[in-house]
Amino acid sequence: AQSVTQPDIHITVSEGASLELRCNYSYGATPYLFWYVQSPGQGLQLLLKYFSGDTLVQGIKGFEAEFKRSQSSFNLRKPSVHWSDAAEYFCAVGGTGGFKTIFGAGTRLFVKA
Amino acid sequence: DAGITQSPRYKITETGRQVTLMCHQTWSHSYMFWYRQDLGHGLRLIYYSAAADITDKGEVPDGYVVSRSKTENFPLTLESATRSQTSVYFCASSGLAQETQYFGPGTRLLVL
Repeated sequence: AQSVTQPDIHITVSEGASLELRCNYSYGATPYLFWYVQSPGQGLQLLLKYFSGDTLVQGIKGFEAEFKRSQSSFNLRKPSVHWSDAAEYFCAVGGTGGFKTIFGAGTRLFVKA
Repeated sequence: DAGITQSPRYKITETGRQVTLMCHQTWSHSYMFWYRQDLGHGLRLIYYSAAADITDKGEVPDGYVVSRSKTENFPLTLESATRSQTSVYFCASSGLAQETQYFGPGTRLLVL
């Protein structure tokens, strides 16, 4: 069965520091992988996605993620965090029949000055 | 304006009452989804629809009813609201089943 695990419920980083949010998935075939961001009081917005090809994908707002099949991971990174990045981040996995996309529980990012 | 909208944005109701949450999208996307978001559970799929008049259950469908008579609308009805249905509800749409989902701003529902 599909599943997504985001091991960190919340993370605090200093502004300007690097960021890595972890995501592990379980899926029986080649997954479609997504990272979404949710600002307070808002809906979710796509940051980036991986369907196939280059395992390092670039997204909006300077984020990137790397698909590692051997580790069943799709970690999100940013080299330098800005205060405006404070939000909740969701990893999601799907495949053919993507209407069964499963979302992780989310990681809330706090940014300190 | 183009996009996906939800109404109402906030709703307070009482147990046993019927409540309908509306979702409208202007992209003519085939797929539409309803999720609920609760602390500690992330997003859970309630129902989805692959096209007009085609709907199917998600992970947590009990107590909810959906319909899709038109491609652009996907209302969610709580037939007899319960306190456990207090949540934030998100509607989303996508052009293809495995493609990016576009989310509405959400409806905050409180059941007293």
